[in-house]
Amino acid sequence: GAGVSQSPSNKVTEKGKDVELRCDPISGHTALYWYRQSLGQGLEFLIYFQGNSAPDKSGLPSDRFSAERTGGSVSTLTIQRTQQEDSAVYLCASSLGLRNEQFFGPGTRLTVL
Amino acid sequence: AQTVTQSQPEMSVQEAETVTLSCTYDTSESDYYLFWYKQPPSRQMILVIRQEAYKQQNATENRFSVNFQKAAKSFSLKISDSQLGDAAMYFCAPNRDDKIIFGKGTRLHILP
Repeated sequence: GAGVSQSPSNKVTEKGKDVELRCDPISGHTALYWYRQSLGQGLEFLIYFQGNSAPDKSGLPSDRFSAERTGGSVSTLTIQRTQQEDSAVYLCASSLGLRNEQFFGPGTRLTVL
Repeated sequence: AQTVTQSQPEMSVQEAETVTLSCTYDTSESDYYLFWYKQPPSRQMILVIRQEAYKQQNATENRFSVNFQKAAKSFSLKISDSQLGDAAMYFCAPNRDDKIIFGKGTRLHILP
């Protein structure tokens, strides 16, 4: 049983470019979450997937952010036309269900120059 | 809406001593869960302890325990016999339905 994995671990991009961040949840976990953590700050909820239900996108900060989860497993967070304020660590977590412990990945540090 | 307040941005404790991290939250729900997560410098978030709101008994995990006051909406974490490896950011995180709402965290320093 591997834990939650994320790739890349670090990503440097230029302002205006698109980026894709990947999350591989723990096998069998039906719930998957994306969070953003700015330097020295708490975690900001972005989006959550639960099984086959429509995702809760209420935390996405703008329409430049989108995410999908294919086959109920791997998820990709896409940021279009990146801005410097998008620089942060993006964390993914998965859990067995809504009220269960979330297991976190190591995060992707995104730097927008 | 649910907000979480961790009023101590930073704390320090002497090794082997006891420290308490405070957390208050706002919710209209009666059935929910609460978590404390630890984030060491490695950035990996780790669950420290979990409390079900319907349980009156405070959760305990080895050196970690909570003081859960449901009416006061308070959920503090006590670390006994502090160790150097306890140095980290600690996040209080109430959970309701589909979201965990994280506080801004308390950075804990352990003094040797």
